[in-house]
Amino acid sequence: SYILTQPPSVSVAPRQTARIACGGLNIGSKSVHWYQQKPGQAPVLVVFADNDRPSGIPERFSGSNSGNTATLTISRVEAGDEADYYCHVWDSSGHVFGTGTTVTVL
Amino acid sequence: EVLLVQSGAVVKKRGESLRISCQGSGYTFTNYWISWVRQMPGKGLEWMGSIDPGDSYTKYSPSSQGHVTISADKSISTAYLHWSSLRASDTAIYYCARPFSASLKNWLEPWGQGTPVTVSP
Repeated sequence: SYILTQPPSVSVAPRQTARIACGGLNIGSKSVHWYQQKPGQAPVLVVFADNDRPSGIPERFSGSNSGNTATLTISRVEAGDEADYYCHVWDSSGHVFGTGTTVTVL
Repeated sequence: EVLLVQSGAVVKKRGESLRISCQGSGYTFTNYWISWVRQMPGKGLEWMGSIDPGDSYTKYSPSSQGHVTISADKSISTAYLHWSSLRASDTAIYYCARPFSASLKNWLEPWGQGTPVTVSP
């Protein structure tokens, strides 16, 4: 089965940039989506199809995808961005989620 | 507004059966797949399976196949996740979610609010 690997945690100071990697074999050939999940809440889509944003999601959230790594970038990080983030792709075997990354705002 | 509303929290004993539900509104229920996603305590998201409510065709993850059953009643726009014999390891929050478009392969949005399931020994 297809595996997506993320770093367990990323720490970033306010107003700095957070980058969350999502590694998978030839992930650049797939469409990658990202979700934000805050404690006690359902996941919320923040980026879809590699680098598109749903309405209501700030421009500070962006994505890229090439080779074996997709990346979610959060610019000008705010305290409210503190959450778990998951990458997601469709593989021939079904939906696959990354292992998840906890973003901590220092 | 497209909404998925799930049934409430449940506490069960090991070996008991359980069915939780996910009701869709604000769209044509039979045109979109419904997926179920598990989140065990302190862990990540895990896809369990999906159903096409139009014809009840289902697709399961290898780890869920044979342990749960996904079904749907299109007359009331509701999908279900069913266990015939719960295990302690089924303790988790279960989310239903809908793909953005009619294709099963798309990103998932919206999500239901989640149903916490606790299975005691």
